[in-house]
Amino acid sequence: DTEVTQTPKHLVMGMTNKKSLKCEQHMGHRAMYWYKQKAKKPPELMFVYSYEKLSINESVPSRFSPECPNSSLLNLHLHALQPEDSALYLCASSQLWTGNYGYTFGSGTRLTVV
Amino acid sequence: AQTVTQSQPEMSVQEAETVTLSCTYDTSESDYYLFWYKQPPSRQMILVIRQEAYKQQNATENRFSVNFQKAAKSFSLKISDSQLGDAAMYFCAYRSLTGTASKLTFGTGTRLQVTL
Repeated sequence: DTEVTQTPKHLVMGMTNKKSLKCEQHMGHRAMYWYKQKAKKPPELMFVYSYEKLSINESVPSRFSPECPNSSLLNLHLHALQPEDSALYLCASSQLWTGNYGYTFGSGTRLTVV
Repeated sequence: AQTVTQSQPEMSVQEAETVTLSCTYDTSESDYYLFWYKQPPSRQMILVIRQEAYKQQNATENRFSVNFQKAAKSFSLKISDSQLGDAAMYFCAYRSLTGTASKLTFGTGTRLQVTL
């Protein structure tokens, strides 16, 4: 299995809703990432987990709450989002200590906040 | 902090022709990795090719090759025999060797159109 699976593919939520994005990989990667990508822009890093512990938080607002329950699963909990949070949310994973393999990305969740 | 610059927002190439996408970067590190990612309309970021900075030999993957000039901090991507399926957004990316889970720094991207 060489894939990163993200669910759902599309999500529409109101500003008062609570929802979660899910990301799963079974490649044995011990680093997992959340990226946010606006239209026609490069991905922007949000969070990095290594060995299931949060290692990088790029000053993301608290309405985004990441969680890494185990080495294969990464969640992003969403609460009280704003319309400007509408974007493509990409999950990725990678090996640790061997940076030459880059990241494996999922196909993303297209989030619309109304 | 590292920065990655792609100066060509859009490029166009005819099918079967060759095109080169440019990328420059700025870093004070001596060891690092460079990547080209492709993002088609399906949205998934697909790794096209990678280059280790300590290797002088330019990487090649089938129709894709790079011209890595470490002193000039340049990392261009050449696509030979272009195909319709090559149409996508292409991102150049830099990854540091420091840290266990170092982040990828992306350029702003180049949209490649392939015409008949």
